[in-house]
Amino acid sequence: DTAVSQTPKYLVTQMGNDKSIKCEQNLGHDTMYWYKQDSKKFLKIMFSYNNKELIINETVPNRFSPKSPDKAHLNLHINSLELGDSAVYFCASSQDPQGFKGYTFGSGTRLTVV
Amino acid sequence: AQSVTQLGSHVSVSEGALVLLRCNYSSSVPPYLFWYVQYPNQGLQLLLKYTSAATLVKGINGFEAEFKKSETSFHLTKPSAHMSDAAEYFCAVSPTGKLIFGQGTTLQVKP
Repeated sequence: DTAVSQTPKYLVTQMGNDKSIKCEQNLGHDTMYWYKQDSKKFLKIMFSYNNKELIINETVPNRFSPKSPDKAHLNLHINSLELGDSAVYFCASSQDPQGFKGYTFGSGTRLTVV
Repeated sequence: AQSVTQLGSHVSVSEGALVLLRCNYSSSVPPYLFWYVQYPNQGLQLLLKYTSAATLVKGINGFEAEFKKSETSFHLTKPSAHMSDAAEYFCAVSPTGKLIFGQGTTLQVKP
């Protein structure tokens, strides 16, 4: 009954590979997000979707492609992985696009590119 | 552009002592402000949020924060630290549709 669930929790892969991270929320929220946490623990938004529609794209390389098949899912596909992509990726959701009622985060996916 | 600054990347207190984690924001419009906590190898958990109602906001685990517009601050406090409070704390501001985080403050609690 996890509110925002991400899979996998850990992902180790070689440079150049393509990988996906899945996210699902069972809160009935309309808006979902991807955040990246770097090695210095700095968190920055990557994308947000509202009801399957992209509303924020924060100058992320086009190797990163989010996909929202329905409003409960927001997956992140990464092509041609680079060492610098190593980070923890967090999925989040909110009831409204402005996030006035707060955001609920998943437990993160630790991506290591070797 | 809106931003958040957390003063002190590392704060160390003794168990039972007052916890004070500082956060200053810059915003051209009335902000929505949040404090999140991240325990090791876990996601972010909402501690409390300010959404232009009461300026003193009470959150979970005994934490509270006071919004001071004149000082553009939203400092997080807890009267008595517990060992289980050791974690990373993030202040964040929410302009249009996204959270902008501060750099984070690591709270260490010594026995």
